[in-house]
Amino acid sequence: GQNIDQPTEMTATEGAIVQINCTYQTSGFNGLFWYQQHAGEAPTFLSYNVLDGLEEKGRFSSFLSRSKGYSYLLLKELQMKDSASYLCAVRDSNYQLIWGAGTKLIIKP
Amino acid sequence: DTEVTQTPKHLVMGMTNKKSLKCEQHMGHRAMYWYKQKAKKPPELMFVYSYEKLSINESVPSRFSPECPNSSLLNLHLHALQPEDSALYLCASSQDEGVGANVLTFGAGSRLTVL
Repeated sequence: GQNIDQPTEMTATEGAIVQINCTYQTSGFNGLFWYQQHAGEAPTFLSYNVLDGLEEKGRFSSFLSRSKGYSYLLLKELQMKDSASYLCAVRDSNYQLIWGAGTKLIIKP
Repeated sequence: DTEVTQTPKHLVMGMTNKKSLKCEQHMGHRAMYWYKQKAKKPPELMFVYSYEKLSINESVPSRFSPECPNSSLLNLHLHALQPEDSALYLCASSQDEGVGANVLTFGAGSRLTVL
């Protein structure tokens, strides 16, 4: 079967750095996405990785290792507005998106 | 215009009602999607339209009926729903369907409550 694992919940302090991990086992791989979703709102696109390595976009970076079936999302200089759920999703060999259950990130002052 | 617009934002309906959810995008995207999302769960794919044709139906009960009148519009017709169908219904669009770097743009969602 296809499976994506993320921690259910994480807590971090304003101004700090947090790393949200995602491991996946899917039938084929055609890219990995990170989306942010605030409570009661729609998911918004954060990053896309298809090759191994680090993609940096401002305070957010995403890393991929295809051989390990592993990705992480790194958030720096955390702000209160970063409190949200972070969803990891993998596009499989049929180009279907397989979603993780999401990681709820709580930022404390 | 980089938005997907969904109406209504909230809908309360009885089990015998017929209602519709509407979705519109003007980004020239050729793929449109309906997702269902329950609290604290990831989105579940329901339907995909590609170039106005239904390309994926994820074994959704017939009480949900999608319609794509044109490349900018997507409807979801609801009839004889059950209380367990209460959820956030998300519409999304993307440039195309079968492409790797295919970013989904989501609408704000329609929160449905079935009494």
